[in-house]
Parts: sequence; C-alpha cells; structure tokens
Amino acid sequence: QQPVQSPQAVILREGEDAVINCSSSKALYSVHWYRQKHGEAPVFLMILLKGGEQMRHEKISASFNEKKQQSSLYLTASQLSYSGTYFCGTEWISGAGSYQLTFGKGTKLSVIP
Amino acid sequence: GAVVSQHPSRVICKSGTSVKIECRSLDFQATTMFWYRQFPKQSLMLMATSNEGSKATYEQGVEKDKFLINHASLTLSTLTVTSAHPEDSSFYICSAPETSGSPRVQFFGPGTRLTVL
Repeated sequence: QQPVQSPQAVILREGEDAVINCSSSKALYSVHWYRQKHGEAPVFLMILLKGGEQMRHEKISASFNEKKQQSSLYLTASQLSYSGTYFCGTEWISGAGSYQLTFGKGTKLSVIP
Repeated sequence: GAVVSQHPSRVICKSGTSVKIECRSLDFQATTMFWYRQFPKQSLMLMATSNEGSKATYEQGVEKDKFLINHASLTLSTLTVTSAHPEDSSFYICSAPETSGSPRVQFFGPGTRLTVL
C-alpha cells in the first residue's frame, strides 16, 4: 500500500533540474507532495487531484497520471533551499469508505553550489 | 496555511516512565488528528488516527495500551507513551487536516524528539 518513490536520493548542482516519481498499486483519489528538512516536520508543497491540472509551487511543479497511478515532481533550476527529503502521500479510499493517506519512503535531494 | 503546534519539542526520559505529547491546532478545529512516528532516515509511519469524542483508531502493530491517545477537544490531541523503553526513541509528529472532506491537506506539527535512556 505504501507508494514507491524513485530515485531514493539525488545530488544536484544549483540550477540543474530533477524529477522525482511516485507510483502506487492502488487507485488514487489524490497525491500530496511534502518536503522535510532535517530535524523538522514535513511542509506541504502541493496536492494533485484526480482529473485536476498540473500544479506548481514556485519553480516546482507536479503532474498526476490517474491511469498509471503515478505522480511526478519536477524541480527546475534548483536552488540550495530545495535540499531536503521529498515525500509523496497517496490518498485512497479504504474498503470501509474512509480516506487514507500513505507516505512513500522519501527521496533525499541535495543541492550543492 | 493552518498552524499545528506540538509540545514538548524534545524530551529525554528514563526507561519505564511515561511521556505525554500534546498536539494543538491553533487557528482551526480538527475533529481528526493523526500521529506519526519517524525513525532516522525513514518515512512517516502512521501510528493512529485520533478522533474527537470517540476512541482512536490504531494501525496494525501499534499497541493501543502503550500509546494512549486522547482527543480532548476540537483543538487538542495528546499521545502518551507509557512505560517508555529505548526502542520507543523516535521523532513523533502529529498532523491535522484543515478540512474534514477530501482532499485533506495535512498540516504537520513541528514534531517531538523522544529519547529514552
């Protein structure tokens, strides 16, 4: 049930681009993206809804392919402040009819000068 | 965005003692709050769902008698780690959704780092 994120880690130089992928085996209602800095709580970046448009947060954007049950996070012209661990959270409906949010293992992104 | 606070931010205790962690939604009401545990370099693992006015729902493998949850009001949930042991040392994070429907954006508290000696 836990979504699979790839890659596990990536190192970028400032200004480079990166893509983080998130895939699930379950039919999804929405996909959430969070960024966590070391020793801090995760911070919400954006949410993608079933049937919704591609979302954007500053120079970070994301897409959601409902058929493939996949989401991708695109970081363009990376900045040092982008460093952190990115988690996708997949929201799905349980057999009991309640919404469940499950997080992937995270992708550690390091941006170096 | 909505603000969720946690107290304390850090706690060190002796093995066998109990520790209470508070989670508060500061500018909105939350009928549901979530408690997560995060071990170093690992993902957020949902421990339980705290429901105002009713019993908490625990995830498989989480001992309800060890991790007591009380959702006392629409803005406060507490997690008590009873008879803590070194293996309970972890980063505990609460979150609350701002809306009751879906999609529910989770706003996280700053976390509580528990160290059991």
